[in-house]
Amino acid sequence: EVQLVESGGGLVQPGGSLRLSCAASGFTFSSYWMSWVRQAPGKGLEWVANIKQDGSEKYYVDSVKGRFTISRDNAKNSLYLQMNSLRAEDTAVYYCAGSRRGATFDYWGQGTLVTVSS
Amino acid sequence: EIVMTQSPATLSVSPGERATLSCRASQSVSSNLAWYQQKPGQAPRLLIYGASTRATGIPARFSGSGSGTEFTLTISSLQSEDFAVYYCQQYNNWPPYSFGQGTKLEIK
Repeated sequence: EVQLVESGGGLVQPGGSLRLSCAASGFTFSSYWMSWVRQAPGKGLEWVANIKQDGSEKYYVDSVKGRFTISRDNAKNSLYLQMNSLRAEDTAVYYCAGSRRGATFDYWGQGTLVTVSS
Repeated sequence: EIVMTQSPATLSVSPGERATLSCRASQSVSSNLAWYQQKPGQAPRLLIYGASTRATGIPARFSGSGSGTEFTLTISSLQSEDFAVYYCQQYNNWPPYSFGQGTKLEIK
């Protein structure tokens, strides 16, 4: 059974930092592009960042460039998102998602809530 | 950046009836279009990719059509478990991947 389990969310003040993790199992993690997709409360889906199978390529949505860093550890079947200089508009549920071809989001975790507020 | 626009925002349909959801792209995305279903408190689930191919385990009552800039998701006979929010997503030109704003399918 495919499982993606996110952790690391919580309440953080504006300007603060947080590191999200995603533990994968049930599929060949190293063969998948991995992404972070977020959903603000009551809103739609927004792709945030993705990383190629071997970590050689990384892409970000403009609003997080220079503030967020995506990384992965294939030996640990884990995906990460380092979030710095957080803003109120970063408040959202953050999902990790796996993509076999870097196209559609085939597998999703249950999400972790990040709240940026003073 | 490609903008995806879904219509209507909310669709009210009775169980057993057909539902038709629309998605329009601001420029051609060829057939590189996916549909997702999201129920309250749950993660999205991939339904359709390549505009018309059902993902693994998706019932045959879900069908997708279209190419270029106009796409349709049809649910032929609505079951109670189908009432949810549906999103389209383009993957022709990325980054960024872009999603539509969603269509809420509710019980009439």
